[in-house]
Amino acid sequence: QVHLQESGPGLVKPSETLSLTCTVSGASITSYYWSWIRQPPGKGLESIGYRYHTGTINYNPSLKSRVTISLDTSKNQFSLRLNSVTAADTAVYYCASGYENFDYWGQGTLVTVSS
Amino acid sequence: EIVMTQSPATLSVSPGERATLSCRASQSVSSNLAWYQQKAGQAPRLLIYGASTRATGIPARFSGSGSGTEFTLTISSLQSEDFAVYYCQQYNDWPYTFGQGTKLEIK
Repeated sequence: QVHLQESGPGLVKPSETLSLTCTVSGASITSYYWSWIRQPPGKGLESIGYRYHTGTINYNPSLKSRVTISLDTSKNQFSLRLNSVTAADTAVYYCASGYENFDYWGQGTLVTVSS
Repeated sequence: EIVMTQSPATLSVSPGERATLSCRASQSVSSNLAWYQQKAGQAPRLLIYGASTRATGIPARFSGSGSGTEFTLTISSLQSEDFAVYYCQQYNDWPYTFGQGTKLEIK
């Protein structure tokens, strides 16, 4: 059974960088594509981007200039960095396996952007 | 980007009855369409992919149909655990996009 767990600060100041890590167990980080998805409070879901260990990567054009997804194969983790955050980036952030559809999800972590 | 529109926004159905949820794409997505169920405080759960293929462990009362721009999720006989929010998602063109959701509530 594949298990994903997000970790990182729950509060980020405006203009700073949001950094989250997803720890994967039950599968190798080299076996799947890995994605980040977010959901603003009370709203729908938005694909942020995905990455594969060979280097294949894709970011949502609406976030492309601010986002980086990286993999750490030694720790079986992948990470999200989102620069220059604003209140509009306040959301529950999910990590998930896959890139077209998502069969395993983390529980999600709420990140609030506020001073 | 492809816009996914779900209807209705809220659907009230009695347990044991059939529920039919709709999803429309702003342009053809072929059969590259998935459905998810999300309960309060939980991550979404994949129900259907390829417009009509049930994901692992999903009960047979869930079925999906459609292609191109019009899709339907049918729940044949609602159980108490099925009352939740349902999202469709296209993965034909990047960025892959979700609908705004249909809340299925108990009548």
